[in-house]
Amino acid sequence: DTAVSQTPKYLVTQMGNDKSIKCEQNLGHDTMYWYKQDSKKFLKIMFSYNNKELIINETVPNRFSPKSPDKAHLNLHINSLELGDSAVYFCASSRMGNQPQHFGDGTRLSIL
Amino acid sequence: GENVEQHPSTLSVQEGDSAVIKCTYSDSASNYFPWYKQELGKRPQLIIDIRSNVGEKKDQRIAVTLNKTAKHFSLHITETQPEDSAVYFCAASGPVTGNQFYFGTGTSLTVIP
Repeated sequence: DTAVSQTPKYLVTQMGNDKSIKCEQNLGHDTMYWYKQDSKKFLKIMFSYNNKELIINETVPNRFSPKSPDKAHLNLHINSLELGDSAVYFCASSRMGNQPQHFGDGTRLSIL
Repeated sequence: GENVEQHPSTLSVQEGDSAVIKCTYSDSASNYFPWYKQELGKRPQLIIDIRSNVGEKKDQRIAVTLNKTAKHFSLHITETQPEDSAVYFCAASGPVTGNQFYFGTGTSLTVIP
């Protein structure tokens, strides 16, 4: 069983569209994260979220919004997609606090 | 906020030699330092981590050292093998960062058979 699963694996869409990426973890973890990995392979934290607190990296545009229907899911919604949003987006989860993170397989987003 | 620097950005070694990757961090309150390995097209995977109450940790061919005073930590891989070829990321986290992880810029390691 995949511990952290993301869908879709690939997402190709037009500039200006709105899209969502789903993430689910079956590890019973309390905290989930979204990362953006650009073409230079830099891994940049976008959000961390547990059932009490959402921490947003201040550099993330407000077109990006995480949505968590329950503790096992943290979806990423993106409005008005731009060319610069093209990247691989990774979801991750961990127990609360400074604990090892488990990553999903990533979603490769390509904006035409 | 936290700033993590990682060197070198690329590293090539002969099979059987050792590889060392170094990271520095800026926030003295950071207290957890994991290392991740990312093979091409795959997810990052934790290979070893260290907490600020420990100076060194070893797991078979992999070791990590931490110098809190100088705010730097290093990954050491001995007896390298071709399957060690990947991108390696260091990261730092702590209470001041809100338990968010800040990653280094990655080191692309190539082990030449």
